[in-house]
Amino acid sequence: DTEVTQTPKHLVMGMTNKKSLKCEQHMGHRAMYWYKQKAKKPPELMFVYSYEKLSINESVPSRFSPECPNSSLLNLHLHALQPEDSALYLCASSPSGEDTQYFGPGTRLTVL
Amino acid sequence: AQSVSQHNHHVILSEAASLELGCNYSYGGTVNLFWYVQYPGQHLQLLLKYFSGDPLVKGIKGFEAEFIKSKFSFNLRKPSVQWSDTAEYFCAVNAPGGGADGLTFGKGTHLIIQP
Repeated sequence: DTEVTQTPKHLVMGMTNKKSLKCEQHMGHRAMYWYKQKAKKPPELMFVYSYEKLSINESVPSRFSPECPNSSLLNLHLHALQPEDSALYLCASSPSGEDTQYFGPGTRLTVL
Repeated sequence: AQSVSQHNHHVILSEAASLELGCNYSYGGTVNLFWYVQYPGQHLQLLLKYFSGDPLVKGIKGFEAEFIKSKFSFNLRKPSVQWSDTAEYFCAVNAPGGGADGLTFGKGTHLIIQP
């Protein structure tokens, strides 16, 4: 089973709201990732967690706050977002961080 | 840092035509190479990958790709496309050996297969 699940599928929020995106995998993978994908563009890396520790932060604004509570779960906390943050947010996992990444279906976020 | 260039942003083919999508990367060290596909309304799926060994790799759905190190290329091919191959295709790379590394994607190729 190579399934990565993400909730919610869709999220609409105002600029003053606080919300969270959730990602889960039960494949025993030790690396997890957040990517942002704007319409008709490729995914862009935001964060990498390796063995539950943040290992890469691609200069993402602090209004995005990642969290890895355990090896199966990855959250992305959102606060005071801007309309330009509207995008598809993809989660991925890989066994060790140096091999194939498996992607979830994404959360489509709209910021009003 | 790595970079990836995909030469064809929009490709339109008829069913049964042959396909070749170009991908070149820029990086001075060892890379892992991937092709992912994103069907309309679906999530990114791995088509094939190259880490080492035989430079000609075969993937799912009849796709194959050839790694040519001297040309920094990893072109995707399929001898006979089907209408169901309509999708967005992304070439991606990462650099092994330094721990967990994110993928760097090319800009993608939007492939439309006409019946």
